[in-house]
Amino acid sequence: SQQGEEDPQALSIQEGENATMNCSYKTSINNLQWYRQNSGRGLVHLILIRSNEREKHSGRLRVTLDTSKKSSSLLITASRAADTASYFCATDEDDKIIFGKGTRLHILP
Amino acid sequence: NAGVMQNPRHLVRRRGQEARLRCSPVKGHSHVYWYRQLPEEGLKFMVYLQKENIIDESGMPKERFSAEFPKEGPSILRIQQVVRGDSAAYFCASVQDISMGSPLHFGNGTRLTVT
Repeated sequence: SQQGEEDPQALSIQEGENATMNCSYKTSINNLQWYRQNSGRGLVHLILIRSNEREKHSGRLRVTLDTSKKSSSLLITASRAADTASYFCATDEDDKIIFGKGTRLHILP
Repeated sequence: NAGVMQNPRHLVRRRGQEARLRCSPVKGHSHVYWYRQLPEEGLKFMVYLQKENIIDESGMPKERFSAEFPKEGPSILRIQQVVRGDSAAYFCASVQDISMGSPLHFGNGTRLTVT
């Protein structure tokens, strides 16, 4: 089953700009998480937002959650070359943690 | 603290052979997930296990695939009679307590190539 769908599929921006990625999901959730994956590596947890929260910050990351629209966004401010990676949202569906197809972010020097 | 360890990192098998993928979770974690990833795609859920129990295997093909997480030792994902379509990266993740929304800790995957 595919719960989350990220948008856009790919994003290229200049270093220093902000990057925004969106995630839509289908069923009700308890929480939503964002992960990052560098090429050839496993996923790394970035941030979790619970269903009763609307916004959360962690360093240069800002996550919003709109449960009425079943959507979330991840904003990375002041992007750096090292932010180049794939970003995935993940939602809980019963006992499963389901991932979207991801957004491939490329930061241009 | 050691993270999730997966081995081997790369595994080459000929069609018809068996593939055994191992995953040692973070110490103290008793929940393990297995995912499959094709190039440029997301992670597809396969199976969720607790120690000695399969909780949800709805994402795993009913034939040729099996998974276990014994009381002692690593979790094993076993693929019998591999076919070319099994070629993919297989990731394992462990978590302390899913009910609290704890983050998943991922290994670096096993890349299976079937020739």
